[in-house]
Amino acid sequence: AQSVAQPEDQVNVAEGNPLTVKCTYSVSGNPYLFWYVQYPNRGLQFLLKYITGDNLVKGSYGFEAEFNKSQTSFHLKKPSALVSDSALYFCAVSADNYGQNFVFGPGTRLSVLP
Amino acid sequence: GAGVSQSPRYKVAKRGQDVALRCDPISGHVSLFWYQQALGQGPEFLTYFQNEAQLDKSGLPSDRFFAERPEGSVSTLKIQRTQQEDSAVYLCASSLRSGRSTGELFFGEGSRLTVL
Repeated sequence: AQSVAQPEDQVNVAEGNPLTVKCTYSVSGNPYLFWYVQYPNRGLQFLLKYITGDNLVKGSYGFEAEFNKSQTSFHLKKPSALVSDSALYFCAVSADNYGQNFVFGPGTRLSVLP
Repeated sequence: GAGVSQSPRYKVAKRGQDVALRCDPISGHVSLFWYQQALGQGPEFLTYFQNEAQLDKSGLPSDRFFAERPEGSVSTLKIQRTQQEDSAVYLCASSLRSGRSTGELFFGEGSRLTVL
């Protein structure tokens, strides 16, 4: 079975500092990995994905994530955080042998302090 | 509209009532997903349609839950004899092709169901 762990419920970072939101996954087969962001009273929005190719993927709003196969991780990063980045972040995984289902992690709340 | 539209945004039901939640996906999107998001948790998969075909309903929690997409566009999630544990936000998402091949699901704002 597929699963996603986001070990931190909450991440606090000062504006201008780098941020990392952690994600680890478990799948059988090749993983497809995604990050989504949810702002208050808004639907989830796609940030970035890893399907194949370069381990470092870049996405919307200056975010990037690094796929690490040996550590089964897909941490989300940004070099310089903005207050407007404060939101709920979800990591998700899918796999070839798991139909079209995306399995989402429990979410990490990011607070960027001015 | 340009995005995924869900209605109603908020629904309060008495225990035992039937409810119907509607999703209007982005025009032309082949794939449609329903997810259930309990408070403080990530979305949990319910069911998946490719056009009008329901290809996966493994996430539906009981036979009280039923989803349809008869013409391959609008979808309805129906919950019969609602229970308190059904209280959650129900999210609809659509994708142009196979969701996984593009990786990008477009989500609606959700329908928040409260069962009293």
